[in-house]
Amino acid sequence: DQQVKQNSPSLSVQEGRISILNCDYTNSMFDYFLWYKKYPAEGPTFLISISSIKDKNEDGRFTVFLNKSAKHLSLHIVPSQPGDSAVYFCAASARGSNYKLTFGKGTLLTVNP
Amino acid sequence: GAGVSQSPSNKVTEKGKDVELRCDPISGHTALYWYRQSLGQGLEFLIYFQGNSAPDKSGLPSDRFSAERTGGSVSTLTIQRTQQEDSAVYLCASSLGWGEGYILLHFGNGTRLTVT
Repeated sequence: DQQVKQNSPSLSVQEGRISILNCDYTNSMFDYFLWYKKYPAEGPTFLISISSIKDKNEDGRFTVFLNKSAKHLSLHIVPSQPGDSAVYFCAASARGSNYKLTFGKGTLLTVNP
Repeated sequence: GAGVSQSPSNKVTEKGKDVELRCDPISGHTALYWYRQSLGQGLEFLIYFQGNSAPDKSGLPSDRFSAERTGGSVSTLTIQRTQQEDSAVYLCASSLGWGEGYILLHFGNGTRLTVT
């Protein structure tokens, strides 16, 4: 039973264009969401997060949108750069168990020069 | 070093052998986690330590898996009688353990375990 789903295993975009990575969840108890980026042979690194009381959080080129009614969040990267090429994981934590992150399977983003 | 350190970075072992994986968390981080990533899968929670509290072992897949954390710092994940399905990247993470830092996990580079 996958509670956090990233249905696109891969995404390819041109440098300078927008990258949109999607994530769906099923657990209505999730109240905090995070995106992590992972390069090969390295551990995941935190990118951006959003609380369920918000519907948008922006940090430079990265924006996360949360649609609670649809149980959907997305990460927008504008403009995309070749250095953004990595695997992106969506993660969520639930009220009462906020130390335990549930991760999706990840989306491999390739930004072509 | 300022980051989470894991050793070894790679481990190849024969089926049935025991292995120990080590994690040095970031200094001052009270919370320590073990996750694993099998091929084509997301990160799977294994175990969580917070200060002197009893660890949350709910993610350990079988009783062949155990972990300890000595002195509130270094942690060792032990897998006994390894099986081929144990092959994965084992990731350790630490966090401040309070406030918003509670769930901002800082990961090490992982140990790639291959069971032949």
